[in-house]
Amino acid sequence: SQQGEEDPQALSIQEGENATMNCSYKTSINNLQWYRQNSGRGLVHLILIRSNEREKHSGRLRVTLDTSKKSSSLLITASRAADTASYFCATDSGGSYIPTFGRGTSLIVHP
Amino acid sequence: NAGVTQTPKFQVLKTGQSMTLQCAQDMNHNSMYWYRQDPGMGLRLIYYSASEGTTDKGEVPNGYNVSRLNKREFSLRLESAAPSQTSVYFCASSRGTITSTDTQYFGPGTRLTVL
Repeated sequence: SQQGEEDPQALSIQEGENATMNCSYKTSINNLQWYRQNSGRGLVHLILIRSNEREKHSGRLRVTLDTSKKSSSLLITASRAADTASYFCATDSGGSYIPTFGRGTSLIVHP
Repeated sequence: NAGVTQTPKFQVLKTGQSMTLQCAQDMNHNSMYWYRQDPGMGLRLIYYSASEGTTDKGEVPNGYNVSRLNKREFSLRLESAAPSQTSVYFCASSRGTITSTDTQYFGPGTRLTVL
């Protein structure tokens, strides 16, 4: 069963705009990760944020984590057509360190 | 480094046929995983192996078996394929032995259709 649920399910923007995706989860987590999946390919790890961290950056990516609201957001700044992909959050909790993946947000960036 | 490789890339089976999906990693990772991805369902864990010689069931193990042949290889077997097993199958690996959060590295997937 999915622990994290991404919102929105689909997002369509123009190149140069920012894209924000959200992930909500039900139970307390150890850590949260974001992955990207290009069409027809496997998932690629983007960033990991630990439960005691509030914000993390990697290039054009900014991830925030609010454990009181049980939610995370992924911001992609100055989007490019190459950012077109599905984005998944993955959480692990309790004694299990195997991540559980959400259903993903499908992002389309129009050139 | 090839990373995680999977064979075959595509497969069509008839109901009741059997087949084995192969996965290999060249990163000297300890843990390996098999997921299935269905439209609107995200990834669901079928089986995993935290170290060579061990395997454990995931969320959806029914109808599947696995073998951790050695540290590099982790195969998934469908003994009697059913249409409900039509899906895209991903193999993944991670460095540790699942005692802490770890990055997973995914293969390119096998697209399986069962008629």
